[in-house]
Amino acid sequence: GQNIDQPTEMTATEGAIVQINCTYQTSGFNGLFWYQQHAGEAPTFLSYNVLDGLEEKGRFSSFLSRSKGYSYLLLKELQMKDSASYLCAAGGGSSNTGKLIFGQGTTLQVKP
Amino acid sequence: DAGITQSPRHKVTETGTPVTLRCHQTENHRYMYWYRQDPGHGLRLIHYSYGVKDTDKGEVSDGYSVSRSKTEDFLLTLESATSSQTSVYFCAISRDSSYEQYFGPGTRLTVT
Repeated sequence: GQNIDQPTEMTATEGAIVQINCTYQTSGFNGLFWYQQHAGEAPTFLSYNVLDGLEEKGRFSSFLSRSKGYSYLLLKELQMKDSASYLCAAGGGSSNTGKLIFGQGTTLQVKP
Repeated sequence: DAGITQSPRHKVTETGTPVTLRCHQTENHRYMYWYRQDPGHGLRLIHYSYGVKDTDKGEVSDGYSVSRSKTEDFLLTLESATSSQTSVYFCAISRDSSYEQYFGPGTRLTVT
C-alpha cells in the first residue's frame, strides 16, 4: 500500500530549532516534497529531495534517506510566522504522472 | 508566484445540483491536478491532466469528472453534488512530472 506518516502536532519556542519527521511507503518513488500551509491558505512549496542527503535553503533544510523511507524538515531560528501546517508528500507510481501522495500534515505552533 | 487562479472561491449549493469549478493558469504548464482537502485526510488527488484532452483518475475520483480542452483551463465537475463533497478544492500545476506543484488559492464548496 501507499502511506505517509507524520506527527499531527508539534510545539516549539521562538528562536529554537524543530525537526518534523516523515516516513513514507509508496509503490515507486519520484522524490519527497515539503510544503507549508498557513491556515486558510494554499500550500506553498518548500523543498524537494530525490537523492539521499541534506538540502539546505536558508532557515529550512530537508533530509532524505530512501533506504529507510524517511525524511525530515528542519526549521532553524523559529519565528512566529512559521506557525503553520507542514505537509510531507511523496511522488509515487509511474514517473510520468507527477502524482503526489500527501501526509495529513503536521501543525506547528511557535510560542514566544 | 505561479499564475494560477480558481473560480469561484466560495460556493454554496444544494444536494443534487451540478457544480463546475474552474482552474486557470498563465504559466503554460503541462500538468494540472485537482485535490480536495478535508480535516483528518490531508490533500487527496481527485483527477489530473498531463496535456490537452489527456486526463486520468486519482485516488478519490468517484462522483467527479474533469475536462481540459485548452492548456490553461482545467475544469472539475460534480455531476450531482452530495454533502460528502463539501470540502476545500485546490488546483495545482506543474511544469513537468518531476517538478514541484504550485497550488491555486482554493475553492471552498459547501453542499447543503
